[in-house]
This record gives sequence, C-alpha cells and structure tokens, in this order.
Amino acid sequence: EVQLVQSGAEVKKTGESLKISCRGSEYSFTRYWIAWVRQMPGKGLEWMGIIYPGDSETRYSPSFQGQVTISADKSINTAYLQWSSLKASDTAMFYCARVRLVVTGAEILYFDYWGQGTLVTVSS
Amino acid sequence: QSALTQPASVSGSPGQSITISCTGTNSIVGSYNLVSWYQQHPGKAPKLMIYEGSKRPSGVSNRFSGSKSGNTASLTISGLQAEDEADYHCCSYAGSSVVFGGGTKLTVL
Repeated sequence: EVQLVQSGAEVKKTGESLKISCRGSEYSFTRYWIAWVRQMPGKGLEWMGIIYPGDSETRYSPSFQGQVTISADKSINTAYLQWSSLKASDTAMFYCARVRLVVTGAEILYFDYWGQGTLVTVSS
Repeated sequence: QSALTQPASVSGSPGQSITISCTGTNSIVGSYNLVSWYQQHPGKAPKLMIYEGSKRPSGVSNRFSGSKSGNTASLTISGLQAEDEADYHCCSYAGSSVVFGGGTKLTVL
C-alpha cells in the first residue's frame, strides 16, 4: 500500500533552521507530485506548494513563496520542507500528501494519500 | 478569508443525512468537477473522501456523496454514524493554485 512517512516532531527556537522530510514507498515516487500542507493550531488546511520528484519542478503558493523551500531527493524517495530562519508563527502541523493531477479539459488536482504529519513548535 | 466558503459547523443525529456546502467562484468550483473533500478526525491526517466532485475512492463508504450546483459543491453524508464526527475540508485547484475551504466541524448528536 502507498505510504508517506514523515519525520518526527521538532521543537526549535526562533531564528533556527529546520528541514523536515516525507518518504514515499510502494509506488513510483518520481511519477507523482508531492504537496506540503500547513495546519496551524485549531485552523484549517493551507496549501504551501508542490514538487515533482522526477525533475524537481516546484510550484509555491504565493503565501509561502520565499518563506520555505521545497526539495526532493529521488534517489531515496524523499521530499523535504525547509526553513532558513524559523518564526514563532511557523508553529503548526505540516503534512505531505501525494498529488493526483488529472487533465481532462481542465486540470484537476487532489491529494490521495497523506503522511501522518510533523508537528513543528517554535518558541523564543 | 478563503476563496472557498464552508459553514463552520453542522450537526445531525445518528441515521440522519447532512450536507456540507462549499461555495466559490465559477473558476474554482463552477466550471468543472474540481472539488475534492477530506475528512479529518482530531489529531489525525486528512483522508480523501470525494474527488472530481463526486467520485469516491476505493474503501470510502457509499454513505458519502458529492455534488455541485452552480458555484457550490456539496458533501452529503447519509445514515449518519458516530464515527463520522470529524472536520471536513473542501479543496479546489485553479490557475495552478490549490485552495482549501475553512473546514466544517460535523457533530453527531
């Protein structure tokens, strides 16, 4: 069965850097986009961006462009989300998800498998 | 404020049917079957329940159905069960951008 396994919870200080991971298994990792989604405490889901591990093409939400970096290492079936300087407002749960992108007159996108989430807590 | 509007909460009794709406613009809801729906239990990852407006993934109960009328997509849950109590999120994709609704908390009375 398709699985996305994320790295463990992180507790960091403001200004520190961080890179969290998402490893895919039981499917062809290079043939599906991977998305990152943020969920702040008690809030809804926010799309951050997607990456195509086959060629590392990346698309960011305007809200997160310049704030985070999404990358992938196809040799180890792993996608990453990283920050260079964390802020307290980065405290949230972060999910990776496999993307299904269907083109049938229009581009249709949805997330069919999700990782278990990585909780990032940032304090001063 | 999200480009997709959902009610903050809905409730129903076991056995009843409920509908959760998701209203957007013509470009993100009305034009094609763009909307997907996700169920999220507390402390758990979201789970795909409906895609392309009305399709159910394998393993999802047929008590869950999706539809669209104009610029409003809807998720209907029939024969409500206690285990359906969760948050439900709608999602669409247009202009190379993904947008989620604010989420709806379903309470089973």
